[in-house]
Amino acid sequence: AQSVTQLGSHVSVSEGALVLLRCNYSSSVPPYLFWYVQYPNQGLQLLLKYTTGATLVKGINGFEAEFKKSETSFHLTKPSAHMSDAAEYFCAVTLDNYGQNFVFGPGTRLSVLP
Amino acid sequence: DGGITQSPKYLFRKEGQNVTLSCEQNLNHDAMYWYRQDPGQGLRLIYYSQIVNDFQKGDIAEGYSVSREKKESFPLTVTSAQKNPTAFYLCASRRGEFGANVLTFGAGSRLTVL
Repeated sequence: AQSVTQLGSHVSVSEGALVLLRCNYSSSVPPYLFWYVQYPNQGLQLLLKYTTGATLVKGINGFEAEFKKSETSFHLTKPSAHMSDAAEYFCAVTLDNYGQNFVFGPGTRLSVLP
Repeated sequence: DGGITQSPKYLFRKEGQNVTLSCEQNLNHDAMYWYRQDPGQGLRLIYYSQIVNDFQKGDIAEGYSVSREKKESFPLTVTSAQKNPTAFYLCASRRGEFGANVLTFGAGSRLTVL
């Protein structure tokens, strides 16, 4: 069965600092990987996704993530945090290309300090 | 603009009452999903539907019911059998064809049982 872990339920960074949100997955085959962002009392919005091909994926708002098969990781980074990045971030995985069985991580809440 | 509309945004219910959460999409997506979100637990799948008049139970379907009479609509009923219904409920949809594995989310409905 698939599972997703996100190290750190809450991460705080200073404005302008590097953002690093960790995601590790457990899967017997290479999965499709996603990062979603959720602002308070809102739905989830896709930040980026990895399906096949290039392992470094660029998304919206300056975020990017790198798929590392050997480490079963898909960490999310942004070089310089902005106050507007404060939100909850979810890593998700699915094994099939029909998207029938998404598994979401528990989420990491990002705080950006002035 | 196309999207998913969930209503109501906030709902209060007395114990023992059934309530129905609405989810309507104008994206012409085939598949629709209901997730429950609790703090620190990520998203858990309640029900999903790949086509009209067909739906499958997710991981936590007990105490919930759905219908899919129209492609655009996928209402969720929280019954009195659901022991702990206070949560944030998210509806999502996805195109049905192979490779379309990105979920689009509504803004959510927050249910509080008094």
